[in-house]
Amino acid sequence: EVQLVESGGGLVQPGGSLRLSCAASGFTFSTYWMSWVRQAPGKGLEWVANIQQHGSEKYYVDSVRGRFTISRDNAENALYLQMNSLRAEDTAVYYCARDPMTPPFDYWGQGTLVTVSS
Amino acid sequence: EIVMTQSPATLSVSPGERATLSCRAGQSVSSNLGWYQQKPGQAPRLLIFGASTRATGIPARFSGSGSGTEFTLTISSLQSEDFAVYYCLQYNDWPKTFGQGTKVEIK
Repeated sequence: EVQLVESGGGLVQPGGSLRLSCAASGFTFSTYWMSWVRQAPGKGLEWVANIQQHGSEKYYVDSVRGRFTISRDNAENALYLQMNSLRAEDTAVYYCARDPMTPPFDYWGQGTLVTVSS
Repeated sequence: EIVMTQSPATLSVSPGERATLSCRAGQSVSSNLGWYQQKPGQAPRLLIFGASTRATGIPARFSGSGSGTEFTLTISSLQSEDFAVYYCLQYNDWPKTFGQGTKVEIK
C-alpha cells in the first residue's frame, strides 16, 4: 500500500525557516518524480515544487523560487522541502504527492500545516 | 501559466441525481486533464486522468469527457459520500495548474 506521511509543520515567524519531510513507503520511491502541493486555509490547490527521480531536475512555482528548496534521499525514501524567508502568504497545508506525470499526483499524504505569523 | 476556470462554484444536488461539473482551460491542454475529489480535512484523491480515464478503484458513476479547452466531470447518481469539492488540473504545460474548485453540496 502506498503511504506518504508528512511532518515538520508548525508555527513560524515571518522571515523564518522550516523544513518539511515526507516519508514514503509501499512503492519504489527512487523511480518516481515527487511533488509538494499546498492549500491555503479555505482556498484551492497550488503546485509548489517537484523533483526528478535522482534529484538532478527540480522545478518551482514562481512565488517560492529562490526561497524554497526541494530535495530527496532515495536511500531513506524521504522527500524534503526547505522553506526559508517565509511569508504570511506561505501559510497552508503542505501535501507531499507522488507525481508520475501520467497520471499526475496519484497518491497524496495527509498534509502538514505551516502557519507563518508573528 | 494556464488558467483553469471551474463552474459552477457550488452545485446543489439531491442524492441519486446527476451532477455535471465544468472546467475550462485558458488554452488547449489536449487531453492532459485530471479531476480530484477532496472531502473536508482530507487530502485530494485522483478520480480521472487523461480527461476520461478513471483512476484505480474509482466507481463507474464518475466519468470525464472533453479535450482541448472544455472538460466535464459527470457523477451519474450522487451518493452521500460524493458530496465534496472537486478540482480539475491541467498537466499539459508547466506549471501544472488547478481550477478553483466546485463544491457539490446536498440540496
